[in-house]
Amino acid sequence: DAGVTQSPTHLIKTRGQQVTLRCSPKSGHDTVSWYQQALGQGPQFIFQYYEEEERQRGNFPDRFSGHQFPNYSSELNVNALLLGDSALYLCASSSGTAIGYTFGSGTRLTVV
Amino acid sequence: QKEVEQNSGPLSVPEGAIASLNCTYSDRGSQSFFWYRQYSGKSPELIMSIYSNGDKEDGRFTAQLNKASQYVSLLIRDSQPSDSATYLCAVIGGGTSYGKLTFGQGTILTVHP
Repeated sequence: DAGVTQSPTHLIKTRGQQVTLRCSPKSGHDTVSWYQQALGQGPQFIFQYYEEEERQRGNFPDRFSGHQFPNYSSELNVNALLLGDSALYLCASSSGTAIGYTFGSGTRLTVV
Repeated sequence: QKEVEQNSGPLSVPEGAIASLNCTYSDRGSQSFFWYRQYSGKSPELIMSIYSNGDKEDGRFTAQLNKASQYVSLLIRDSQPSDSATYLCAVIGGGTSYGKLTFGQGTILTVHP
């Protein structure tokens, strides 16, 4: 039973560039949430996708955008990268309104 | 005031001792509470969930919830060196916060032999 899969695992980008991170949810899950975790901090909620729509959004600028595909997989896009965007980006999946989140192993983004 | 606040760490306990981790939250409408364990460089792993006032035990772990005091705690009995990790308290708030996990900043626990 495949868990949540994220790609890539590590990424180095230059300030001003754009990045796309990908997430495949756990089998049977249809909801995907994205979190940003800076070093030494707890994860911060970016947004959540359900039925290909953004259902909730955290306090992140419009540079952060996402998408969910019909197969429930999701992408997180970040434009105009800043040094402060360097973090571990976590994807968590769940099933509809059920409460039970499974986290992927994350993508470590470094902006130089 | 932070939405979810954890007791300041790091916390160091000897092997075999009880480790006590505390968390307070600001949204009185919160209904769901979680403790995650995160090893260095890894993703969070759910170890306990609690939804009702009182205690919930699972092996060496006990979660305690007091909604009136807006307080959640995690006790780890017979602590082992393998329990050394960052422990994250997470809450799902009420109303439109449904489905959104709000995390505390984490408490680093070290269990020394």
